[in-house]
Amino acid sequence: AQKVTQAQTEISVVEKEDVTLDCVYETRDTTYYLFWYKQPPSGELVFLIRRNSFDEQNEISGRYSWNFQKSTSSFNFTITASQVVDSAVYFCALSELNSGANNLFFGTGTRLTVIP
Amino acid sequence: EAGVTQSPTHLIKTRGQQATLRCSPISGHTSVYWYQQALGLGLQFLLWYDEGEERNRGNFPPRFSGRQFPNYSSELNVNALELEDSALYLCASSFEGGRDEQFFGPGTRLTVL
Repeated sequence: AQKVTQAQTEISVVEKEDVTLDCVYETRDTTYYLFWYKQPPSGELVFLIRRNSFDEQNEISGRYSWNFQKSTSSFNFTITASQVVDSAVYFCALSELNSGANNLFFGTGTRLTVIP
Repeated sequence: EAGVTQSPTHLIKTRGQQATLRCSPISGHTSVYWYQQALGLGLQFLLWYDEGEERNRGNFPPRFSGRQFPNYSSELNVNALELEDSALYLCASSFEGGRDEQFFGPGTRLTVL
């Protein structure tokens, strides 16, 4: 069965510190997508990134970077030089393609607080 | 380009009543998903509609139902409301088949008294 684990429930950092949010997934599907979403206090989920299971290249987008390692079933998210606006709940999610279900399985989220 | 819209923003009902939530997808998107975010339960998948058909549903009772209209907008109906149905209901849309990223609306907060 599929599962997404975000072991860090809450993290607090001081502004300008780097922070890594961990995500570990389980799936029997050989073809899947992994996602990160941000949920600010307003409640709307904001899409950050999608990676497919065949692409293990790390990705960098501004202050955000993602490390995908199939060997450890992890898809970690790093924010460099954190800012107060990064304060939010971050969700990692999995979508299995071969099952045909297409829905997202979410982790329980990590609440990040950036202290000015 | 307009994002996913949902209405109403807030909805207050009493036990046993019915609630109807609405969602309009991003223009060009044909798939609509519904998720429930209840306190302590995280984000759980409810329903997936594509091209007017229900394609998949999560582990929810039949009193959770919905439909998708020809213009791809969608409605979620919750019958015989229970206190534990109080949650944020999020709608998402994507291009066909859902193999693309899902974009979420602002949600409808349903409170059942």
